[in-house]
This record gives sequence, structure tokens and C-alpha cells, in this order.
Amino acid sequence: DVKVTQSSRYLVKRTGEKVFLECVQDMDHENMFWYRQDPGLGLRLIYFSYDVKMKEKGDIPEGYSVSREKKERFSLILESASTNQTSMYLCASSGGQGNTIYFGEGSWLTVV
Amino acid sequence: SQQGEEDPQALSIQEGENATMNCSYKTSINNLQWYRQNSGRGLVHLILIRSNEREKHSGRLRVTLDTSKKSSSLLITASRAADTASYFCATPGGTSYGKLTFGQGTILTVHP
Repeated sequence: DVKVTQSSRYLVKRTGEKVFLECVQDMDHENMFWYRQDPGLGLRLIYFSYDVKMKEKGDIPEGYSVSREKKERFSLILESASTNQTSMYLCASSGGQGNTIYFGEGSWLTVV
Repeated sequence: SQQGEEDPQALSIQEGENATMNCSYKTSINNLQWYRQNSGRGLVHLILIRSNEREKHSGRLRVTLDTSKKSSSLLITASRAADTASYFCATPGGTSYGKLTFGQGTILTVHP
């Protein structure tokens, strides 16, 4: 079974802190994604990566950056957390176009 | 940007009844996927239907696709309380990297 593991399930951070959300997949997938999910807004794509060290902006990249140094790992970075980044963050991976996307369990981030 | 839009936003039924959720999308697609999300968890892939297919079955799930109307429906037959979840349709995001765009979802509640 494909496993996408997000390192933190619940985090509480202060405004202005630097936040790292880590994600690891075990299926040698080329593509990895970070989504954010908010009530009434659905899932919105923040960034995605199609290869090591390659990344592209999604629909809402402002305030975020990403890192993909190894194929299995995709990190989401909030350089200076703000309260409007309080949300559920979902990491996902897939093997290519049209393929199923596999999601992690989500990370609930609260910025106070 | 939203591609798929689900209807209704919320659906409440009794155990044993059928549940039908609809999804409309805007641009031409080569496949459409349905996902399920239990409260507070990640999304799980249910079924993929390709643009040259009109109907597909998986257990108690039946998915239809009408490319002329740019719409899809998900039918869950003989629903159970354990089917209570949010259901999302997802369409390709326009690149070759497996990116998906999700609708806002239908919240299904099945009462025992």
C-alpha cells in the first residue's frame, strides 16, 4: 500500500515563526503536492513538484515555499507564519498524469 | 481556480437509501476522479472514469460521465452509516504532472 506520511498531525505556532511541514512518500512517485483545505474553499494547491529540485507554483503560493532535495521528501515552509495561514495542510503524491493521487492524513496548523 | 463543482453541498439520508452526488466541470478533460474524506482525515481515492467511458462500477459505487454536459455523478447504493464523509470530484489541472483540481465537495450524512 502507498503511504504518504506527514510528520506532524497538529502544530501550534506563533505569528512570525518559521514553520516546516514535512512529507515523505514510499512509492517512488515523481509528483508531490501540497494542498491547503479551508471550510467553504475546498482544497487549493499551494505548490507541486515533478522531480527532485523541481517545483511549480500552484494556485495560492504566496507566503509559502517548498523544498524537494530527495525524491521521497517534499517540505512546505512558511517563512513567517501569519494567522491567515491557520489551516489543514495536505500532502499528496502521484506517479504521473491521470494517476491516482495519494494523500497523507493532514497537518492541522494553528498560528496564534 | 475551481474546476469541479459538486451538488448538493450537503446531503442527509437514512441508512439503506441511495445517495447521488453531482459534479460539473468547465473545460475538456481526459478523466475524472472521485475521492472521499472522513472528518479530519486525508482524502482517499474511490474511482477514476476516463473520458471515453460513460459508466463505471466499483462495489456499491456507480459513476457516470457525460462529457457533452461536462458533468459526472457518483451514486452510492444501499448506504451505510460508515459512508458518512465528504465526497470530492477532481479533474486534471492542465499539466502533465498529475495535478488535480478539486471541487468543494458534498458532505454526506447517513443516519442509522
